[in-house]
Amino acid sequence: EPEVTQTPSHQVTQMGQEVILRCVPISNHLYFYWYRQILGQKVEFLVSFYNNEISEKSEIFDDQFSVERPDGSNFTLKIRSTKLEDSAMYFCASKVQNTEAFFGQGTRLTVV
Amino acid sequence: AQKVTQAQTEISVVEKEDVTLDCVYETRDTTYYLFWYKQPPSGELVFLIRRNSFDEQNEISGRYSWNFQKSTSSFNFTITASQVVDSAVYFCASADGAQKLVFGQGTRLTINP
Repeated sequence: EPEVTQTPSHQVTQMGQEVILRCVPISNHLYFYWYRQILGQKVEFLVSFYNNEISEKSEIFDDQFSVERPDGSNFTLKIRSTKLEDSAMYFCASKVQNTEAFFGQGTRLTVV
Repeated sequence: AQKVTQAQTEISVVEKEDVTLDCVYETRDTTYYLFWYKQPPSGELVFLIRRNSFDEQNEISGRYSWNFQKSTSSFNFTITASQVVDSAVYFCASADGAQKLVFGQGTRLTINP
């Protein structure tokens, strides 16, 4: 069964460092998303991506964040200068129109 | 803006009991979608069900059933004869035409043997 794959599963980084979280969405999907879940809290929308551009972003998705689909298969989330409060589980999701989103297993980011 | 409320933060029952997880949503859209996802201790998000706003039929899938009532803006989830493996955090979510998901706070369900 096709699935969304995220790497790495866990990343530890120092405050101020750049991190790139990687996702391989399901191959025929057209809509891509990043969500964030701070430990013990709800899942929050960060950004949606369609037709090679951002279609919507939340207030959380400030200038420190960027997304890219560099090669037609990967979908990446970059955090330019990490802060302690960026520590969270980051989920990638993909879908086709008017269906459910399929989520990856998540990347746990720990900023120290 | 859409909003989803799961008022039950934690529920604990004994195995084989039935349990209902409540979900109340708010939206101004006439077309919207409602979802339930399960997050087991391993952390991934597992899709359980999707309903669109035009389909109020209740749905049953094995021990799981869902009750969608537009009159009360609710989309409740019932597990019949609960099992220890049902222990997880359950999230209700909604999506409008923009298709991003808005999640509730989640209900942590613990099934005790």
